[in-house]
Amino acid sequence: NAGVTQTPKFRVLKTGQSMTLLCAQDMNHEYMYWYRQDPGMGLRLIHYSVGEGTTAKGEVPDGYNVSRLKKQNFLLGLESAAPSQTSVYFCASTTAGEQFFGPGTRLTVL
Amino acid sequence: TQLLEQSPQFLSIQEGENLTVYCNSSSVFSSLQWYRQEPGEGPVLLVTVVTGGEVKKLKRLTFQFGDARKDSSLHITAAQPGDTGLYLCAGQGGFNKFYFGSGTKLNVKP
Repeated sequence: NAGVTQTPKFRVLKTGQSMTLLCAQDMNHEYMYWYRQDPGMGLRLIHYSVGEGTTAKGEVPDGYNVSRLKKQNFLLGLESAAPSQTSVYFCASTTAGEQFFGPGTRLTVL
Repeated sequence: TQLLEQSPQFLSIQEGENLTVYCNSSSVFSSLQWYRQEPGEGPVLLVTVVTGGEVKKLKRLTFQFGDARKDSSLHITAAQPGDTGLYLCAGQGGFNKFYFGSGTKLNVKP
């Protein structure tokens, strides 16, 4: 039982490059979330999903896209990375309140 | 603009001292959660409070939810170095969305 896993753990991109962050959970949770964490800002919701095949925008969705083709996976895509997207990205899942977080992906965009 | 304001942002105290962290909002939440995050890891849930006026205790930690379900506090008695970390509050809104405060970074010196 791995909980919530994220890949990769670290990544450095150049401005304009694209990448996909993968989140996987093995707890059969319906809800999944992508957050970004910046110094002094807590966690801000990027996109979330209330079930397989559904996605919705959070507080800061611009520049990101997501997909939830399988219940256990939630993918976050950056089509054209910008330095403002340098951050630590956390995925979380829940079924009834308590969110379980992954270990995070540290992304630097040069 | 943060929906939830936490104070103080930073707190550095000696082992054995007491402290209180506040989480305030103008919005009403169905529940409020407190998380603790250590460097390089995702947040871990400490407690969820649901009812206005509710008080929950977890060993030396006491959590309170305001009567109007807009604010909360976390009180730590006789802080220990192991309490060091980033404390985050999160309010639960509609569609199981969560709004995080900016966090309180606590350092307990031995």
